[in-house]
Amino acid sequence: AAGVIQSPRHLIKEKRETATLKCYPIPRHDTVYWYQQGPGQDPQFLISFYEKMQSDKGSIPDRFSAQQFSDYHSELNMSSLELGDSALYFCASSSLGEPQHFGDGTRLSIL
Amino acid sequence: DAKTTQPTSMDCAEGRAANLPCNHSTISGNEYVYWYRQIHSQGPQYIIHGLKNNETNEMASLIITEDRKSSTLILPHATLRDTAVYYCIVRAPNTGGFKTIFGAGTRLFVKA
Repeated sequence: AAGVIQSPRHLIKEKRETATLKCYPIPRHDTVYWYQQGPGQDPQFLISFYEKMQSDKGSIPDRFSAQQFSDYHSELNMSSLELGDSALYFCASSSLGEPQHFGDGTRLSIL
Repeated sequence: DAKTTQPTSMDCAEGRAANLPCNHSTISGNEYVYWYRQIHSQGPQYIIHGLKNNETNEMASLIITEDRKSSTLILPHATLRDTAVYYCIVRAPNTGGFKTIFGAGTRLFVKA
């Protein structure tokens, strides 16, 4: 069965640079979620989109933004990167009433 | 979302049943119990969910108490590959993209 696809799998950036993470949900899923997991931490919710509209917001820094496109894929844009942004970033998708399914994540390292 | 309480860690012998408890005493009437697990640095994997009846699938069984204030995830024959952090989460079903709040979870060690 098709799963959530995230790209890239690994990304190395320097401080103050920008990064864009991409998420392709499971076909026919209309909702996308983004989570951040720092070293030794539990996943923390950042933001979600339902039918291309922002539906919920968590502890997402103002330097980050995200959107969901007409084909339901989503992108997380991160600017002015800081050392503390080094983390695993997970995307999950779901359809109405169904559990979320997660991708394998993007590991972002800030040098 | 209701808060959950889970043991920090548990051990289980390979081939034996692993019983992972979760307390969710403030669960609301429309909230389900979901279980996910995360094997080191991989994405969280959905296991099972339920409202008030016991549930079973190919991965596990979920036993929910009658008052719904606690539940137990059962892995009937644990293998070394079941070593992971197990998260118990309570939330209403997805009705337009509401977040999942991960608590601390239980780190399960399956030993040979």
